[in-house]
Amino acid sequence: GESVGLHLPTLSVQEGDNSIINCAYSNSASDYFIWYKQESGKGPQFIIDIRSNMDKRQGQRVTVLLNKTVKHLSLQIAATQPGDSAVYFCAENSISSGSARQLTFGSGTQLTVLP
Amino acid sequence: DVKVTQSSRYLVKRTGEKVFLECVQDMDHENMFWYRQDPGLGLRLIYFSYDVKMKEKGDIPEGYSVSREKKERFSLILESASTNQTSMYLCASSLFGGQGNTIYFGEGSWLTVV
Repeated sequence: GESVGLHLPTLSVQEGDNSIINCAYSNSASDYFIWYKQESGKGPQFIIDIRSNMDKRQGQRVTVLLNKTVKHLSLQIAATQPGDSAVYFCAENSISSGSARQLTFGSGTQLTVLP
Repeated sequence: DVKVTQSSRYLVKRTGEKVFLECVQDMDHENMFWYRQDPGLGLRLIYFSYDVKMKEKGDIPEGYSVSREKKERFSLILESASTNQTSMYLCASSLFGGQGNTIYFGEGSWLTVV
């Protein structure tokens, strides 16, 4: 079946360094992708999204890159801060039989920012 | 900002009890979702609804039902709670249609069944 997965389950970076979190997807028809951040004990928080007609999108301190050729996307966080420590999920947005879009989630990467 | 509110953050229920988890969104979204999140299993879709009184099964609907009587409210019901339903439950909502619309989550409801 289709799946969205992450290359690494954990990532540790020094405060101030840049972080790169990777995600692979297998559904070649995927056309919309979202990155979420989930802090301990809280619900997933939307960070940034990208549509398949783009290969790069920038937000505040975050950049998402999409490579449709190899079905891979990444989240780059600039100047990582302690508050960035969380689990990061990528998600692919697909159409169900009822035309309501659902999300297929990756398993998540735990980002730890070291002092 | 989009607001998805789950009324109960922490619940402890006994095996066999009927449990209601309530969710309200304030952005007039057509779609609403219930997920559960378990360590090592990630987020799994239980049910979703794309309109009032409409519902569709997700990946793990067994042991659950839902109710969508009003557009802003989507309830998850455990008819007879069991210990394997101990989990974190997440409600979410999004606009209907289009190439893809961001799905916004609530803060989660931690359910323990003893």
